[in-house]
Amino acid sequence: TQLLEQSPQFLSIQEGENLTVYCNSSSVFSSLQWYRQEPGEGPVLLVTVVTGGEVKKLKRLTFQFGDARKDSSLHITAAQPGDTGLYLCAGSAGSNTGKLIFGQGTTLQVKP
Amino acid sequence: GAVVSQHPSWVICKSGTSVKIECRSLDFQATTMFWYRQFPKQSLMLMATSNEGSKATYEQGVEKDKFLINHASLTLSTLTVTSAHPEDSSFYICSASDYEQYFGPGTRLTVT
Repeated sequence: TQLLEQSPQFLSIQEGENLTVYCNSSSVFSSLQWYRQEPGEGPVLLVTVVTGGEVKKLKRLTFQFGDARKDSSLHITAAQPGDTGLYLCAGSAGSNTGKLIFGQGTTLQVKP
Repeated sequence: GAVVSQHPSWVICKSGTSVKIECRSLDFQATTMFWYRQFPKQSLMLMATSNEGSKATYEQGVEKDKFLINHASLTLSTLTVTSAHPEDSSFYICSASDYEQYFGPGTRLTVT
């Protein structure tokens, strides 16, 4: 069974601080997605990483896919209160089912 | 971008009644749709995979007779919670897939 271990599960920081969220697995994923979800809404796709070692930037967010495609990280620079939310990583096993395997999620609170 | 809608956004029903939730892909055709359940501050739990024109594939532990899924067209899937009980109260989210999964805004179900 493929699992994605996401850490930390809860993070409360002050505005302006940096943070990193990790997603680790013993399995290889053909791609990995990061989502952000606000209370009462569905997850919104932030980025998809496909190539081992790939780094993608989205404004203050930096996403990295591990060389072996078993892990990924999300780094936020100078966090803002608007970054508050639930961050989810999800891996695609590459099977023809299209199923995603989700990590446990990271609840981020950025205090002004 | 791809848009997925859900209806209703919230519903309150009495114990023992059935509730239908609709999931629509508005600007693309989705051969596969997924239904998830989410508890507060937790990650998404996949309930079933829905393919157009065929029976849904349910995850282990999900009761097929309780959570009826119909995928009648390439843009519509429905989830019916039959004989609902208070423990079925949850946030139900669907997603539709072409290459990536796009999530609906979710439906808050409260069973009294």
